[in-house]
Amino acid sequence: SAVISQKPSRDICQRGTSLTIQCQVDSQVTMMFWYRQQPGQSLTLIATANQGSEATYESGFVIDKFPISRPNLTFSTLTVSNMSPEDSSIYLCSAGHPYEQYFGPGTRLTVT
Amino acid sequence: KQEVTQIPAALSVPEGENLVLNCSFTDSAIYNLQWFRQDPGKGLTSLLLIQSSQREQTSGRLNASLDKSSGRSTLYIAASQPGDSATYLCAVAQANNDMRFGAGTRLTVKP
Repeated sequence: SAVISQKPSRDICQRGTSLTIQCQVDSQVTMMFWYRQQPGQSLTLIATANQGSEATYESGFVIDKFPISRPNLTFSTLTVSNMSPEDSSIYLCSAGHPYEQYFGPGTRLTVT
Repeated sequence: KQEVTQIPAALSVPEGENLVLNCSFTDSAIYNLQWFRQDPGKGLTSLLLIQSSQREQTSGRLNASLDKSSGRSTLYIAASQPGDSATYLCAVAQANNDMRFGAGTRLTVKP
């Protein structure tokens, strides 16, 4: 198993600004994943981040809006750029194997 | 495209009752199925993981079953407690590395 931590746990941001969310894993992992959970909805995968390569984005998500970094095997960041109220969600990172993922506590983002 | 459905969307029961949460999926070619718990505004806690070759998994008062051929899984919670109140999500992992989540069942256990 792996223990995942995220920072910040929550934030309130103004429209048009950007927020970078950090995800730290307590062990080296090949794959990390970023999800969005909009209010009352289930999780939607934003992208898969492998160390040493560009992140792979799911349909409907683009790098300009959600740039991701994966500088090493224990850390990743997701930036939510040029935010609008529609970006208000919980953002979760996970790590591990595609078939078995361990999740962080999430970052609750509110955009005003 | 795999679709995961959870029924009911919300459930309220008195303390002490046994209950069943349902999860169905459209593509039976799965690698495994996982049940998660999510407290309000929080992340996900893995409860049980069932490999595609398994029929059920148990942990304490929780029992999850899997019928891959019919595309169904159930999560059975025995002797429910107020602390069990949370949203329960099922997620299906497939061989193409894609994990799909259901919308969840919001459980309330009343004292």
